Amino acid sequence: GQNIDQPTEMTATEGAIVQINCTYQTSGFNGLFWYQQHAGEAPTFLSYNVLDGLEEKGRFSSFLSRSKGYSYLLLKELQMKDSASYLCAVSGVMYSGGGADGLTFGKGTHLIIQP
Amino acid sequence: EPEVTQTPSHQVTQMGQEVILRCVPISNHLYFYWYRQILGQKVEFLVSFYNNEISEKSEIFDDQFSVERPDGSNFTLKIRSTKLEDSAMYFCASRLSRRGEQYFGPGTRLTVT
Repeated sequence: GQNIDQPTEMTATEGAIVQINCTYQTSGFNGLFWYQQHAGEAPTFLSYNVLDGLEEKGRFSSFLSRSKGYSYLLLKELQMKDSASYLCAVSGVMYSGGGADGLTFGKGTHLIIQP
Repeated sequence: EPEVTQTPSHQVTQMGQEVILRCVPISNHLYFYWYRQILGQKVEFLVSFYNNEISEKSEIFDDQFSVERPDGSNFTLKIRSTKLEDSAMYFCASRLSRRGEQYFGPGTRLTVT
């Protein structure tokens, strides 16, 4: 089976930094994505890593280590609006048909920002 | 900014009925996807579609499901005979190329009674 693990819930303080970890063991891999999802809404794209290393995008950074099957999302200067679920997703899992481009998601990390 | 749109936003149907969920992907995108999310659970891949045919599907996408791109803009998901367990949020997504971000629509909440 496909395993994508991330913490269920995290709490952080407004203005601080938080790191959300994701580990994966999947049948295939050609990229790792982070999405943000507010309750009742669609996932919105945050970042994409295909090679090892750090990708920075404003207040958000994402890191990937393919050899360790590990990624993290770093959020800086936290704002109240960052309270949401953060979804780790892997591309490249082989489903029927071989296209290998559907995303396989983890269960998400519910991030609570406190004042 | 271009976006994926979906209709209806909420669909209520009786068990055994057929439903069609509609999506309009971003206009120059070539790859299309359907996902579902049962309340409180993770997002699950259903099917991907490229060049007018299914390129990949998960175990969830059984014979009761079908997809179609009837014209140059719409992308539909049909569920032939709905079951109670089909109640979920269904998201359509599209992307320009085979790699890179997928853009999700706002979703259709399907309730089967």
